[in-house]
Amino acid sequence: SQQGEEDPQALSIQEGENATMNCSYKTSINNLQWYRQNSGRGLVHLILIRSNEREKHSGRLRVTLDTSKKSSSLLITASRAADTASYFCATGHSGNTPLVFGKGTRLSVIA
Amino acid sequence: DTAVSQTPKYLVTQMGNDKSIKCEQNLGHDTMYWYKQDSKKFLKIMFSYNNKELIINETVPNRFSPKSPDKAHLNLHINSLELGDSAVYFCASSQAAGGSEKLFFGSGTQLSVL
Repeated sequence: SQQGEEDPQALSIQEGENATMNCSYKTSINNLQWYRQNSGRGLVHLILIRSNEREKHSGRLRVTLDTSKKSSSLLITASRAADTASYFCATGHSGNTPLVFGKGTRLSVIA
Repeated sequence: DTAVSQTPKYLVTQMGNDKSIKCEQNLGHDTMYWYKQDSKKFLKIMFSYNNKELIINETVPNRFSPKSPDKAHLNLHINSLELGDSAVYFCASSQAAGGSEKLFFGSGTQLSVL
């Protein structure tokens, strides 16, 4: 299966702390994307990292990619209650193959 | 304006009924998708259309029939609904087909089959 696997399944932290979520996958990719899903809403794209990139930043988000280990991590710094959501990684492959999503990490940020 | 809009947001129906979910995107994208999210939040691709042409059909039962009248619309018709069809269905779009594209999602249709 090409499906990514997020770890942990659920994470609960205090506001102001950093949150780290990991994603592992099984096949070669040409990019990996992270999405956020608030309760009862659709997924929102956060960041895309290409297979030839190792690290990318966007505001309080930092994504790393290690293609030798087939893994990625999403770090949210100085978390806020509004960051409470589920976070999904999605692997992008060649051709017309659509993104393949993992099962997500549920992040709860407690004020 | 909502970029990807789908209706209805909630759909409650009896087993055996036929129902449709509509989706429209105003982003000018060429590619549209239907994803199914189960109770464990696992999101799985069902169909993908590029410029009104079906390009991906992921072993979805024949009871599910997508229709794309133009590249801004992708509707999903489901015949003979079963209990196992209960899930949240998401429409999405991207500028082009392929795994390098960023997806834009609708807010989902929660289908409950009783």
